[in-house]
Amino acid sequence: GAVVSQHPSWVICKSGTSVKIECRSLDFQATTMFWYRQFPKQSLMLMATSNEGSKATYEQGVEKDKFLINHASLTLSTLTVTSAHPEDSSFYICSARGASLAGGQGDTQYFGPGTRLTVL
Amino acid sequence: AQSVAQPEDQVNVAEGNPLTVKCTYSVSGNPYLFWYVQYPNRGLQFLLKYITGDNLVKGSYGFEAEFNKSQTSFHLKKPSALVSDSALYFCAVRDKGTGANNLFFGTGTRLTVIP
Repeated sequence: GAVVSQHPSWVICKSGTSVKIECRSLDFQATTMFWYRQFPKQSLMLMATSNEGSKATYEQGVEKDKFLINHASLTLSTLTVTSAHPEDSSFYICSARGASLAGGQGDTQYFGPGTRLTVL
Repeated sequence: AQSVAQPEDQVNVAEGNPLTVKCTYSVSGNPYLFWYVQYPNRGLQFLLKYITGDNLVKGSYGFEAEFNKSQTSFHLKKPSALVSDSALYFCAVRDKGTGANNLFFGTGTRLTVIP
């Protein structure tokens, strides 16, 4: 249980185009989803936190107009990188947390497999 | 403010030997502590967590970690390392006292198990 998927797993796009990444909780309801960015050989940087049905909370320094986050349902959140540029190339990872998870697992974040974005 | 320190960027251990990956934390209140493992080009896999109760926590793949409040540490251990344990390990903390949902991650420790 507690599986999170991401799609696509990798994407290459031209500079100036927009890219949408989907994050789904497959077997639980994700009341909260998180989006992270990871640079090579570095730790995860939290970009934003989203709760179902409400606006995302962005971390300081993250442009909300560039990284659009939608959490329209309890199993799906999307991150859209608008007008992507080469410096947006990175590994994007989502995670989900479900208050309804049994066995005390509601405190645990479960991570997707990540999406590698390359902007040419 | 919350923070996590993983003092070792790299840990090398021979197969069959015990391994330790160190983690110390700083929070204003009581911590939730987590260990995750990351294989190349993959997301993070949950290994174990400390929320409350016994200080020694057992997790997946034979890993365990001990919560030490006085030393503010949560070191990851395994009695006998396998080559397949080679990966990047992240320690993370969430501060119960703030009510915040997000985790703060350490910078990661790359574990290499030598055959």
